[in-house]
Parts: sequence; structure tokens; C-alpha cells
Amino acid sequence: EVQLVESGGGLVQPGGSLRLSCAASGFTFSIYSMSWVRQAPGKGLEWVSYISTSGSAIYYADSVKGRFTISRDDAKNSLYLQMNSLRAEDTAVYYCARVIGGPFYSYYYMDVWGKGTTVTVSS
Amino acid sequence: QSVLTQPPSVSAAPGQKVTISCSGSSSNIGNNYVSWYQQLPGTAPKLLIYENNKRPSGIPDRFSASKSGTSATLGITGLQTGDEADYYCGTWDSSLSAGVFGGGTKLTVL
Repeated sequence: EVQLVESGGGLVQPGGSLRLSCAASGFTFSIYSMSWVRQAPGKGLEWVSYISTSGSAIYYADSVKGRFTISRDDAKNSLYLQMNSLRAEDTAVYYCARVIGGPFYSYYYMDVWGKGTTVTVSS
Repeated sequence: QSVLTQPPSVSAAPGQKVTISCSGSSSNIGNNYVSWYQQLPGTAPKLLIYENNKRPSGIPDRFSASKSGTSATLGITGLQTGDEADYYCGTWDSSLSAGVFGGGTKLTVL
């Protein structure tokens, strides 16, 4: 079964750091680009970041640029999101998603999603 | 403020048809394929439509979509109470070099 399982969420103080992980199974992780998408409480989906196969191309939303770092470890079938200088507005459920296409194609969509992990930034 | 514009809500009676619009610009919808996602209450988003009008396996043909210029439309026929969900359009924005979503549309089946 194709599956993505996020972990690493929790309560963190403003200015703090957190590292999210996403474990992939049931497919060849290394041949897929991946993305993180978040959803603040009661709000819509917000795209956060994209990483291509082998990590050769990386993109971020302006709202997280310079604070968040996406990475992947194909040997461990895992995707990561290092989040620094966290703010209250980063409070959200964070989803990892498998990507088809990307910035070098005319198509970009997410065909497999994890259940999400919750990040709460509060003092 | 989302890059793609959707109506906040739509509603219709069971068995009826509803459409949800998604408006963008030449840097996103105008030059890239559109996808649609369904998010049932309390669950993760699920891919509903990809490449403007294609359905993943398992998605019933009651769901359809189209694109024209810088706008896209999702249609749902034979509405069921189980279709009550939030629906999002999405694509890549070449100018922003970022993925973009619509603000989401809440479907109520009366």
C-alpha cells in the first residue's frame, strides 16, 4: 500500500525550531518529487515547499523562505522539513505529499497525501 | 488572499448538479494544468482531478472538470450527502515559482 506518514509535530514556543519527518512506503520514493502543504486551523490549504528527485531543485513559499528547509534521504525513504524561527502563524497541520510533475513541466499535482502532523506555536 | 480565486461556498440538493469555479492568471492556470482536491471533514486532502480533466482510478464519473483560458471549473452531478466537503483547485505558478491553491469551496448538500 502506498503510504506517507508524517511525524515530529508538537507544541513549540515562538522563535523555536522543529523538524518534521515523512516516511514513505509502498513505492519507489527516490523517483518522485515531494512537497509539504499546510493548513492552519479553520483555513485553506497553503503550499509550503517542493523538492525534486535527488534534491536538485527546491522551492519555498515566501512565507517560510529563509526559515524552513526541505530535504530528503532516499536511502531512508524519508522527507524532512526543518522549521526554524517559528511564529504563531506557522501553527497548522502539515501534510507531506507525493508530487507528479513540477516546475519544469506544465503539470504539477499531488497524488498521495499523508494524514498530517500538527504544529502549534505558542508561549 | 489566495492566488487562485474560488467561491467560499456552494450548495445544492441531493441528486442535483453543482459547479465550482477557479480563477487565476496567465502565470498559473493560463499556462499549466489544473488539479482539484476533495477534503472531507477531519481528513487529509485527496486528489480528485488532475491535468485539467482526468480522474484518478476510483473517482466516479460524477466528478468532471474543464479549463478555459485562465479559469477552471469542477462539476459534480448526482450530488450525495457524502460529497459534502471542501474542494480546492491547485496548480504551479511560473512567476512565483511556487505551488498555488484556491481558497477552497465548501460544498453543502442540502
